[in-house]
Amino acid sequence: AQKITQTQPGMFVQEKEAVTLDCTYDTSDPSYGLFWYKQPSSGEMIFLIYQGSYDQQNATEGRYSLNFQKARKSANLVISASQLGDSAMYFCAMREDPISSGSARQLTFGSGTQLTVLP
Amino acid sequence: GAGVSQSPSNKVTEKGKDVELRCDPISGHTALYWYRQSLGQGLEFLIYFQGNSAPDKSGLPSDRFSAERTGGSVSTLTIQRTQQEDSAVYLCASSLDSGTGKNEQFFGPGTRLTVL
Repeated sequence: AQKITQTQPGMFVQEKEAVTLDCTYDTSDPSYGLFWYKQPSSGEMIFLIYQGSYDQQNATEGRYSLNFQKARKSANLVISASQLGDSAMYFCAMREDPISSGSARQLTFGSGTQLTVLP
Repeated sequence: GAGVSQSPSNKVTEKGKDVELRCDPISGHTALYWYRQSLGQGLEFLIYFQGNSAPDKSGLPSDRFSAERTGGSVSTLTIQRTQQEDSAVYLCASSLDSGTGKNEQFFGPGTRLTVL
């Protein structure tokens, strides 16, 4: 089973509008972290926002917020007041944090959502 | 400050040749990761280094792939006898350590490998 699922291959949004990018995840670890990265056409991965599995409040970073619904295992990214520069591929990722020491804490990525902001 | 750097930015090679890809992590970051991004497979984890511990090689797709990290800093990913399916963008990332909490990974610009 896929650990991270992003069901929207492409999304369009009008400039200055808000947009929600969906992400669901699957893990049996009680401790994990959820991340969103932006990848513009230049190719570099840019960290946007983080949500820990034990965090009580939804994370916010400027125009980015994460709608974290733990019971539903979803971690949707909300971008408010979209700008033309927001056009990019967006990846949801999870890092499982097992108790055992020495475990690799690599990121598992979803397939991404290509967001296009229209003027 | 300086971010993660990778070299070369582009590499074109012939099938069967060996290639070396280099990664310079952010100074002070003890954890270093290699990922591969390809059209068919998306973003895949390859290998992870944490300090002086033995690397986690669980993501390497075959024994043609190897990596080392010298002095806890610079890392080199080596692909021997390259195949066309190795064509991809190879991304390196580093984080402060391998602990929990945000500890986000910072990515380099990647090396685009094309195997003819």
